Amino acid sequence: KAGVTQTPRYLIKTRGQQVTLSCSPISGHRSVSWYQQTPGQGLQFLFEYFSETQRNKGNFPGRFSGRQFSNSRSEMNVSTLELGDSALYLCASSLVQGEKLFFGSGTQLSVL
Amino acid sequence: AQRVTQPEKLLSVFKGAPVELKCNYSYSGSPELFWYVQYSRQRLQLLLRHISRESIKGFTADLNKGETSFHLKKPFAQEEDSAMYYCALTPSGTYKYIFGTGTRLKVLA
Repeated sequence: KAGVTQTPRYLIKTRGQQVTLSCSPISGHRSVSWYQQTPGQGLQFLFEYFSETQRNKGNFPGRFSGRQFSNSRSEMNVSTLELGDSALYLCASSLVQGEKLFFGSGTQLSVL
Repeated sequence: AQRVTQPEKLLSVFKGAPVELKCNYSYSGSPELFWYVQYSRQRLQLLLRHISRESIKGFTADLNKGETSFHLKKPFAQEEDSAMYYCALTPSGTYKYIFGTGTRLKVLA
């Protein structure tokens, strides 16, 4: 069974640009959540999707958005990038909420 | 506010010594609590969850509702236990996970 796949692995952008990250969950998993990981803050919850519906959102500005498709694949978008957006963005999937999370390898975003 | 606190950023112990990684949470309801681990160059993965009450790789964690704690313990640390450990809470019905800032465990030979 393939694990959670995130693409791309690395991204370099400049301030003001926008970026889209992709996540393919484990087959059969309908819950997908996103996290921002930084050395000082640990993992911070961005949002969670289930059956194409966002069920919760973390405390991030509106520049951070996401969506989920009918095949459970998910994308997150960050518009008007800022230097502080540089981080590892992790995606995780699970069968249902409250169950164990399976993480992807992440997308390392660098904003210059 | 719902919060997970891991007070130690770094914990260094010698091989064979006992280990305790601290986790305190702030949540008024019945929590679902987890410990996740990230070994060097590997993905973040579940170590254990309180509802299972199991021991994984010699680690155990007991939920103490009175002290709102979920400390991770192992009686004899091994070098391969060196990793980053995250405590996480998912408040029932909220569809979100709250992680602590993590504790790096270094087991010295």
